[in-house]
Amino acid sequence: GAVVSQHPSWVICKSGTSVKIECRSLDFQATTMFWYRQFPKQSLMLMATSNEGSKATYEQGVEKDKFLINHASLTLSTLTVTSAHPEDSSFYICSARTGAGYGYTFGSGTRLTVV
Amino acid sequence: QQQVKQSPQSLIVQKGGISIINCAYENTAFDYFPWYQQFPGKGPALLIAIRPDVSEKKEGRFTISFNKSAKQFSLHIMDSQPGDSATYFCAASKETSGSRLTFGEGTQLTVNP
Repeated sequence: GAVVSQHPSWVICKSGTSVKIECRSLDFQATTMFWYRQFPKQSLMLMATSNEGSKATYEQGVEKDKFLINHASLTLSTLTVTSAHPEDSSFYICSARTGAGYGYTFGSGTRLTVV
Repeated sequence: QQQVKQSPQSLIVQKGGISIINCAYENTAFDYFPWYQQFPGKGPALLIAIRPDVSEKKEGRFTISFNKSAKQFSLHIMDSQPGDSATYFCAASKETSGSRLTFGEGTQLTVNP
């Protein structure tokens, strides 16, 4: 089945530094990638949607200069949290889709802790 | 119109019992309805999904019931096991390319041994 590999699974960084999270689709072409943020005991909150080769579309209230999304190839998308602060600490999850009629495959998530 | 309402928020079931989680949606353009299972510290994993041309779909112990006129769908877990203890999310989307999933609020299921 379709697999999305997300790395790292957890990361601790100092306040003010940047962190990059990678998602790779291993056995299919991800024409669309979705990035979510999830707080404890809450549902997934969509941050942005990106199509390969295009700029990401950010949800209302998500700072595009803080959460940089790159989807340069059909198998790789990255989320960079710039100048991270403790309030950015959360569980970040990516999801990929090949196209219409196909399901959504999720990565295993990245636990980000900013100290 | 994009909301998906899920209930209950939490559910406790005895081993061997039936777990039932319900969802209701508003957008009649939705045509793909998946259920996801999420364990702590992991990403959601697809359990089962249904499209509106059928009223029921069964895969092993998991069944989706779909009522298009009522805009409701539900997940039934038969013979619930302690290993089923997890958070379950319903979701809905349009089948068009690039469409996002709209998630329910989630149900924390605990199956007691």
